[in-house]
Amino acid sequence: GAVVSQHPSWVICKSGTSVKIECRSLDFQATTMFWYRQFPKQSLMLMATSNEGSKATYEQGVEKDKFLINHASLTLSTLTVTSAHPEDSSFYICSANVPNTEAFFGQGTRLTVV
Amino acid sequence: QKEVEQNSGPLSVPEGAIASLNCTYSDRVSQSFFWYRQYSGKSPELIMSIYSNGDKEDGRFTAQLNKASQYVSLLIRDSQPSDSATYLCAVKVNAGNMLTFGGGTRLMVKP
Repeated sequence: GAVVSQHPSWVICKSGTSVKIECRSLDFQATTMFWYRQFPKQSLMLMATSNEGSKATYEQGVEKDKFLINHASLTLSTLTVTSAHPEDSSFYICSANVPNTEAFFGQGTRLTVV
Repeated sequence: QKEVEQNSGPLSVPEGAIASLNCTYSDRVSQSFFWYRQYSGKSPELIMSIYSNGDKEDGRFTAQLNKASQYVSLLIRDSQPSDSATYLCAVKVNAGNMLTFGGGTRLMVKP
């Protein structure tokens, strides 16, 4: 099946710094990628839809200036958590769909802000 | 009403039994249905996909879809402790659209 690679798998950063997470589709082109956040023992929460060559679409309640999404190519989307705070600590997961099939998920990034 | 609903569980079954996981959805025009398994601290992995009414079997897993009643289920035969995980039901309305996930059902298979 299709492969989506997410990097890094875990990161620890200091409060106030920014962290960039990369999501790559390795063997297919993804015009759309999705970013999710998952807190412990909770379900996936869609944060935003990343569209290649255009602005991301953010879900209600997600601050677009805090969670910067860039989808500059058909195989790469990045999520930057700016001025991270401890409450941003979470598991961030990206996914991409091959048209007419299922979504493929990256490995996830465990972000800890200290 | 949530778009995709699942019982959060935990659903506890003994090893070797059949685990039955259910999911209902609200959008009648939904076309594609998926079951994902998520182990703690890991990202979801696809278990089954189903697109038409009826049953679809793959090894120990059987997905069942009933569009008239708007439910999709997953049966796991001969449950193993390694099946213990959270199972996410996902629905896609049409091609290219995002998936809408249920809250997940936590399954515990006890030896």
